[in-house]
Amino acid sequence: DQQVKQNSPSLSVQEGRISILNCDYTNSMFDYFLWYKKYPAEGPTFLISISSIKDKNEDGRFTVFLNKSAKHLSLHIVPSQPGDSAVYFCAATSFGNEKLTFGTGTRLTIIP
Amino acid sequence: GAVVSQHPSRVICKSGTSVKIECRSLDFQATTMFWYRQFPKQSLMLMATSNEGSKATYEQGVEKDKFLINHASLTLSTLTVTSAHPEDSSFYICSARYSTRSSYEQYFGPGTRLTVT
Repeated sequence: DQQVKQNSPSLSVQEGRISILNCDYTNSMFDYFLWYKKYPAEGPTFLISISSIKDKNEDGRFTVFLNKSAKHLSLHIVPSQPGDSAVYFCAATSFGNEKLTFGTGTRLTIIP
Repeated sequence: GAVVSQHPSRVICKSGTSVKIECRSLDFQATTMFWYRQFPKQSLMLMATSNEGSKATYEQGVEKDKFLINHASLTLSTLTVTSAHPEDSSFYICSARYSTRSSYEQYFGPGTRLTVT
């Protein structure tokens, strides 16, 4: 039972344009969400997070949007850069729970 | 800050032998460490949660006698794959949480590629 889903396994975006990565979840108990970036043969790197009391969080080129009613979150990267090419995982958890539930990942390729 | 190291980065062993993987938080104390496994083109699968000074909590379907976890200090956790077989070949990643923060971020090590021949 995949509680966190990333329905797009891959995405290609032109350099300088906006990259939008999507994530859906089914567990209504989730109230904290994170995005991680992963290069091949490396561990994931934390990018940005959002609590369910917010609907938007911004950090530099990265913005995460949360739509609780739709159980959907998205990560916007603008402008996209070649170094952004990686696999992006969204993850979710609930208050008091140490564990993160990860999505299946989206491979983002930035085209120069 | 929040650097997590893993050693070794890559190991090849023969079937039937045991392999130990170390996970260290270099610049912070981590009361909780996590061990994940990743198959090619798949998500991170949590294997176990490790708390300093206590027994690890294993996820359903993970054999605790095969994957021994020891969290001896606030900066070190080890995963030992006992009597390894080719099906244990995978990418193993550890992560750690700050002991003094209430946030949920986990900081990941670079991973260990295990190949069992």
